Amino acid sequence: ETGVTQTPRHLVMGMTNKKSLKCEQHLGHNAMYWYKQSAKKPLELMFVYSLEERVENNSVPSRFSPECPNSSHLFLHLHTLQPEDSALYLCASSQVWGGNTGELFFGEGSRLTVL
Amino acid sequence: AQSVTQPDIHITVSEGASLELRCNYSYGATPYLFWYVQSPGQGLQLLLKYFSGDTLVQGIKGFEAEFKRSQSSFNLRKPSVHWSDAAEYFCAANTGFQKLVFGTGTRLLVSP
Repeated sequence: ETGVTQTPRHLVMGMTNKKSLKCEQHLGHNAMYWYKQSAKKPLELMFVYSLEERVENNSVPSRFSPECPNSSHLFLHLHTLQPEDSALYLCASSQVWGGNTGELFFGEGSRLTVL
Repeated sequence: AQSVTQPDIHITVSEGASLELRCNYSYGATPYLFWYVQSPGQGLQLLLKYFSGDTLVQGIKGFEAEFKRSQSSFNLRKPSVHWSDAAEYFCAANTGFQKLVFGTGTRLLVSP
């Protein structure tokens, strides 16, 4: 496999469920990102990990909990979500965090529906 | 505040016609500029980027963009659109060690 892979592609959950989104990158990058994409809104950066350390938390509610066990894997644990959390969640990676590159490599996203 | 504006939410272009998608930025200094494309059901893919130098940048899939400092713009162009170009296009900017800021996107529809 190459690139950035996200699973599952689609997820439906109730507000009391606990689920996780998974992202894996095969590019040897050191930085990984979670973005939220909602209709008619700009992409919202949620979290950034650089060398497995969280370097950015963009005021995301605690019902979203990221985990980065190594530089190739990133998880987003979901708990007690609200219907307004329904969105496409995109994972991305880049060679480094910061610096003069904005080249992000995106996965295909996980479409989340909260009932 | 730093921002990226894409004034057109939707654009419809006939197949074979030329295309221009607008992007304006508001930054204190000239940022690094990018265009990404998102096909239906897919993630975002980088089309091209501008860091410095030649203000006309060539990208993949026949796209190009021109940086105009005087207009704070970085418009995306393609001389002849194909049906497969139908997608959503995002302009983005950053200033190196700052996070990438995306515009709200322009959805391109291609008519036969």
